Amino acid sequence: QKEVEQNSGPLSVPEGAIASLNCTYSDRVSQSFFWYRQYSGKSPELIMSIYSNGDKEDGRFTAQLNKASQYVSLLIRDSQPSDSATYLCAIGAISNFGNEKLTFGTGTRLTIIP
Amino acid sequence: GAGVSQTPSNKVTEKGKYVELRCDPISGHTALYWYRQSLGQGPEFLIYFQGTGAADDSGLPNDRFFAVRPEGSVSTLKIQRTERGDSAVYLCASSPFPSAGGPYNEQFFGPGTRLTVL
Repeated sequence: QKEVEQNSGPLSVPEGAIASLNCTYSDRVSQSFFWYRQYSGKSPELIMSIYSNGDKEDGRFTAQLNKASQYVSLLIRDSQPSDSATYLCAIGAISNFGNEKLTFGTGTRLTIIP
Repeated sequence: GAGVSQTPSNKVTEKGKYVELRCDPISGHTALYWYRQSLGQGPEFLIYFQGTGAADDSGLPNDRFFAVRPEGSVSTLKIQRTERGDSAVYLCASSPFPSAGGPYNEQFFGPGTRLTVL
């Protein structure tokens, strides 16, 4: 079983609709949860971080965390064509060396259809 | 302020050659990370520096890979006897300082160096 799992997509969503991206993880001691956006040929860009159960909203983005179910999701409201990208889920856990190490999923490719 | 910078943006080399990739983190960030990203995959952790020391090098694939950060700022990733399988995008990230479960460990990535080994 992969440590961080995401549906690779592609996920197609009409412009103006809500895009829902999901991620599950296997390490129960994970403490930090991140969503990165990556445009084709570019590096990952941090768009959301969440550390406790529940919802966290930032503009059109909402991150949802459920540690009991080992599940984190990202909702994008009023989807725009500029949201078309690959979305990477990253999970942080303390390593044996004391640092917080990120493990990434393979990403979900999102396409917003005008 | 300036973000993480990496040079070169592209590097093409021949199998067996030595390469150096440079990373300049965000000013004031004490934690620095190197990742490698292959096509269709998420970034894969290589090494972490806190200050000048390599605190966690458990992700380095073998002893051909080495990284330094002599003054606690700029870091260089060194790859000896390159192989075609080393071809990937090498990403550097920095964070203010590592603190578990808090915002100070948010990692910000540079633009990456695309390494191609022929």
